[in-house]
Amino acid sequence: GAVVSQHPSRVICKSGTSVKIECRSLDFQATTMFWYRQFPKQSLMLMATSNEGSKATYEQGVEKDKFLINHASLTLSTLTVTSAHPEDSSFYICSAREDRARSPLHFGNGTRLTVT
Amino acid sequence: AQKVTQAQTEISVVEKEDVTLDCVYETRDTTYYLFWYKQPPSGELVFLIRRNSFDEQNEISGRYSWNFQKSTSSFNFTITASQVVDSAVYFCALSDLTTDSWGKLQFGAGTQVVVTP
Repeated sequence: GAVVSQHPSRVICKSGTSVKIECRSLDFQATTMFWYRQFPKQSLMLMATSNEGSKATYEQGVEKDKFLINHASLTLSTLTVTSAHPEDSSFYICSAREDRARSPLHFGNGTRLTVT
Repeated sequence: AQKVTQAQTEISVVEKEDVTLDCVYETRDTTYYLFWYKQPPSGELVFLIRRNSFDEQNEISGRYSWNFQKSTSSFNFTITASQVVDSAVYFCALSDLTTDSWGKLQFGAGTQVVVTP
């Protein structure tokens, strides 16, 4: 079945550095992907909607200059956390929908980011 | 605006007991999907069910069953004869079906299920 590959699964970085997370649809085209963030013991909150070939749409309160999203192809969306700080430590997870009406949703396995 | 409420923060049961997780939602949309996901400690989201707002039939899948009642905006989930492997956080979620928003999920707060032997 359709699979979404998300890398890396875990990353530790130093404060002030940038981290890139990839979300790739392996056997289907995904014009639209979604990025969520989950703090410990909390729910998943939508950060942004990634659209191939156009700018991402960010949810209220999410800094677009800090969380850069690039969706340059129909199978790949990337989330870059720029100038990471310890408060950015979280679980980031992407999902992708197939390009047909009411298609299934597919989630990546998530990335656990720790900023030291 | 959409809202999903899972009032139960944590439920602890002994193995073989049944456990019911409540989910109440709010939406102005007439067509929408409701979901349940399981999140084990490893973090990935495991898809359990997707239900269209037009389909109010209850569903059973093995030890899992779902009760969808549109009149009360509820989509409850029951695990029958619970097992230790059922220990996880369970999320209820909602998405409308407009072209732009389809797939954008509003999650509930989640319910931690702890099953002890």
